Amino acid sequence: GIQVEQSPPDLILQEGANSTLRCNFSDSVNNLQWFHQNPWGQLINLFYIPSGTKQNGRLSATTVATERYSLLYISSSQTTDSGVYFCAVEGETSGSRLTFGEGTQLTVNP
Amino acid sequence: NAGVTQTPKFQVLKTGQSMTLQCAQDMNHEYMSWYRQDPGMGLRLIHYSVGAGITDQGEVPNGYNVSRSTTEDFPLRLLSAAPSQTSVYFCASSYSIVGKRGYEQYFGPGTRLTVT
Repeated sequence: GIQVEQSPPDLILQEGANSTLRCNFSDSVNNLQWFHQNPWGQLINLFYIPSGTKQNGRLSATTVATERYSLLYISSSQTTDSGVYFCAVEGETSGSRLTFGEGTQLTVNP
Repeated sequence: NAGVTQTPKFQVLKTGQSMTLQCAQDMNHEYMSWYRQDPGMGLRLIHYSVGAGITDQGEVPNGYNVSRSTTEDFPLRLLSAAPSQTSVYFCASSYSIVGKRGYEQYFGPGTRLTVT
């Protein structure tokens, strides 16, 4: 099946700093989503981005499908950005099944 | 729209007990699925359904049963709970059109299950 690798596994920032999270995948995809899991365990949809670039406030994402990676940018980080960020992909031969990476644990200190 | 709802939010079971985790969506999505999340890990697919009456196994199906009698509901049954099934369970749904793929998936709030 398709493999998903996220880096870095852990990231500690001071409030106000910028960061880039990376997601590499091993095969062509129909779907790629970024999620934020907050400290209460809730999964929040950030981006649906199988290709191209999207922006939502301080967050933006870019997927380069031909090179099999996606990047999530967080600018001017806030303590509320803390949590785990997951990348999930649906491979072209996976049906509608999502395969998740192991996540990036982000801690933003005041 | 309520989106994807799950009940209960929390549950404690003894080894050997059975129970059903409920999942419902009001978006008329054909595709529904169940995932489990163990500590420090991403989500893994248990079972999924591409429409009423159609289900299939995911990556970790052992110990779980599903059925899909309506478009809206997709319950997950634990037949004889084991401590290894202690986890957080998420239900998800999305559109699914024959011959097309890649629709955004929407997740419920999760059910935290502890088996003692």
